[in-house]
Amino acid sequence: AQTVTQSQPEMSVQEAETVTLSCTYDTSESDYYLFWYKQPPSRQMILVIRQEAYKQQNATENRFSVNFQKAAKSFSLKISDSQLGDAAMYFCAYRGFQGAQKLVFGQGTRLTINP
Amino acid sequence: NAGVTQTPKFRVLKTGQSMTLLCAQDMNHEYMYWYRQDPGMGLRLIHYSVGEGTTAKGEVPDGYNVSRLKKQNFLLGLESAAPSQTSVYFCASTSERGGPFNTEAFFGQGTRLTVV
Repeated sequence: AQTVTQSQPEMSVQEAETVTLSCTYDTSESDYYLFWYKQPPSRQMILVIRQEAYKQQNATENRFSVNFQKAAKSFSLKISDSQLGDAAMYFCAYRGFQGAQKLVFGQGTRLTINP
Repeated sequence: NAGVTQTPKFRVLKTGQSMTLLCAQDMNHEYMYWYRQDPGMGLRLIHYSVGEGTTAKGEVPDGYNVSRLKKQNFLLGLESAAPSQTSVYFCASTSERGGPFNTEAFFGQGTRLTVV
């Protein structure tokens, strides 16, 4: 079974600085998707960025980028120029190609932005 | 443009009571999922469905039942609520894998359930 691990329960960063959230996963599949979701206090789950495992190029969405290391099974999220609105819980998630293709989530990292 | 809608948003139950959470999606998605979210544990899969009339157990299915009689609806039932089922419940839906742009899961707003 696939597992996703986020080893940082909490992180904090100064406004305008850069922060990196860590995620590792375990799978025997060769093709899969990885995601970072943001959950603000409203509880809404918001997709931040996705990465297809067959793509070597790291995904980027404006101030958000990932460092995808397939051999190491690592998928970190970098947030540049942190803004107060980035404060939220962040979840790393895995979706395989086989079976029910269900999303498997990590434990989450709570990000605080200090003004 | 509703996406995924969960009802209710909040509920307080007494131990032993029963209730049903409704999830409805209007995107014609095949796959639907029920998760529970607890502090420090992320989202854990309770049950899921890969199509109308199908259901399967996830990681933490005990104490819950589900049904998917219509493609657009996925119901989660608690037959005899226990305090350990106090949690935030999320429904999600996805399409089948067919390309890089339809892999996203869409989530409902969540249901905060308290069992006293």
